[in-house]
Amino acid sequence: KQEVTQIPAALSVPEGENLVLNCSFTDSAIYNLQWFRQDPGKGLTSLLLIQSSQREQTSGRLNASLDKSSGRSTLYIAASQPGDSATYLCAVDRGSTLGRLYFGRGTQLTVWP
Amino acid sequence: NAGVTQTPKFRVLKTGQSMTLLCAQDMNHEYMYWYRQDPGMGLRLIHYSVGEGTTAKGEVPDGYNVSRLKKQNFLLGLESAAPSQTSVYFCASKKGQGDQPQHFGDGTRLSIL
Repeated sequence: KQEVTQIPAALSVPEGENLVLNCSFTDSAIYNLQWFRQDPGKGLTSLLLIQSSQREQTSGRLNASLDKSSGRSTLYIAASQPGDSATYLCAVDRGSTLGRLYFGRGTQLTVWP
Repeated sequence: NAGVTQTPKFRVLKTGQSMTLLCAQDMNHEYMYWYRQDPGMGLRLIHYSVGEGTTAKGEVPDGYNVSRLKKQNFLLGLESAAPSQTSVYFCASKKGQGDQPQHFGDGTRLSIL
C-alpha cells in the first residue's frame, strides 16, 4: 500500500520568507504526483501536477520537484504572502486505470504580515 | 464556470436516518470520485466511477452506496447513518485516464448525532 507523509504538519512564518514543504511516499512506482491547496471550509484546488518522467514543475511563485528514486517531492513557495495561508496536500497517483490518489495529511501553512 | 458542485453543503442527521449526497460536474469528465476527510487523516476514497453506469469500491466503502445513472452526476447514499460517518465528504472528477488533475467540489459537512 502506498503511504504518503508530509512534513511539517504545520508551519508559521513571516511574510516574505521562502518556504519548502516536504512530501515522501513509500512506493516509487508512481504515475504522477500532485500538489493541492485547501482553504478552510473549501475543497481542494490543484496547484501542480508532476508526471513521473519529469523532475519539476513551476507555476508563478510555486515550484514542485520530484525524485522518484528516493520517494520524495518538495513544494517551494517563493516570497510567501499572507494569501498563501492554507493547507497544502500532496497526493500520489499509482497509475492504475482508476487514477486513484493517495493523500498525505497535509501541511497547514500560516503566513503572517 | 461551475466545475464540481456538491449539495447539500451542510447536514445534520440522526443515527439510522438515510440521505443522499449529490455531486454534479459540467466538464464532461468520465471519472468521478467520492472521498471523506477526517481530522488528522488524509482523504480516503469511498467509491469511484470510470464512466456512466459503472461504479466500484474504494478504500472505505462500508455503509455507503453510489450510483452514476448520468455522466454528469454521482450520488453517494447513506442507508442507515452512523456517528462514525460524521465527516466532510468531497466529490472529485477527472477527464479520464492519463495525467490530468482531479477537480474537487467544496465539500459536504455531515454530522451524525
